[in-house]
Amino acid sequence: DSGVTQTPKHLITATGQRVTLRCSPRSGDLSVYWYQQSLDQGLQFLIQYYNGEERAKGNILERFSAQQFPDLHSELNLSSLELGDSALYFCASSVTGQPSTDTQYFGPGTRLTVL
Amino acid sequence: GENVEQHPSTLSVQEGDSAVIKCTYSDSASNYFPWYKQELGKGSQLIIDIRSNVGEKKDQRIAVTLNKTAKHFSLHITETQPEDSAVYFCAATRTPSGAGSYQLTFGKGTKLSVIP
Repeated sequence: DSGVTQTPKHLITATGQRVTLRCSPRSGDLSVYWYQQSLDQGLQFLIQYYNGEERAKGNILERFSAQQFPDLHSELNLSSLELGDSALYFCASSVTGQPSTDTQYFGPGTRLTVL
Repeated sequence: GENVEQHPSTLSVQEGDSAVIKCTYSDSASNYFPWYKQELGKGSQLIIDIRSNVGEKKDQRIAVTLNKTAKHFSLHITETQPEDSAVYFCAATRTPSGAGSYQLTFGKGTKLSVIP
């Protein structure tokens, strides 16, 4: 158990809908990362937060947004969902938010299915 | 930006044999190379990492080698066991020279199956 929790585990929804994925980092970790893992694809970095502020942005669609709250949990909002958004969404956390020096601890993921 | 290629995409070995997974990277400035193991239904877990100032690192049955000149690094698992069955991801990143950060760029993963 990494100490990172994600809810829900599974989510099935329809095209055009909006969903919210939630992540609670390990105790003491200030940084949260969101990744998307599609079939046959590696982990694609979406966005990173550090202590409530956005630190880095990857290939995140404009339909997607995220935030990190004062208690350091984070939410990823996906709107106007398309079939192609079906994927595993992982959250990771780390202490300092510097990937080259900091181990990232991953949550178990949320499997999103868009029908 | 960085690009990481990982091979093979699937690998089956007999229990007790060795397994080798290879990755190449494009950014010569990359200096940190972690390997993650993703078991079914679980998040990825760091199993070993290597920095560009060393050529090899071992941790029990797992080792990683780095060839900076050729820009490739490999994961070696010896005496494989059924519990080694998982998807393995390599990644690369670099230390920023100033403010900001570089993110991990992951390979597409290798599904390792260890046959009892």
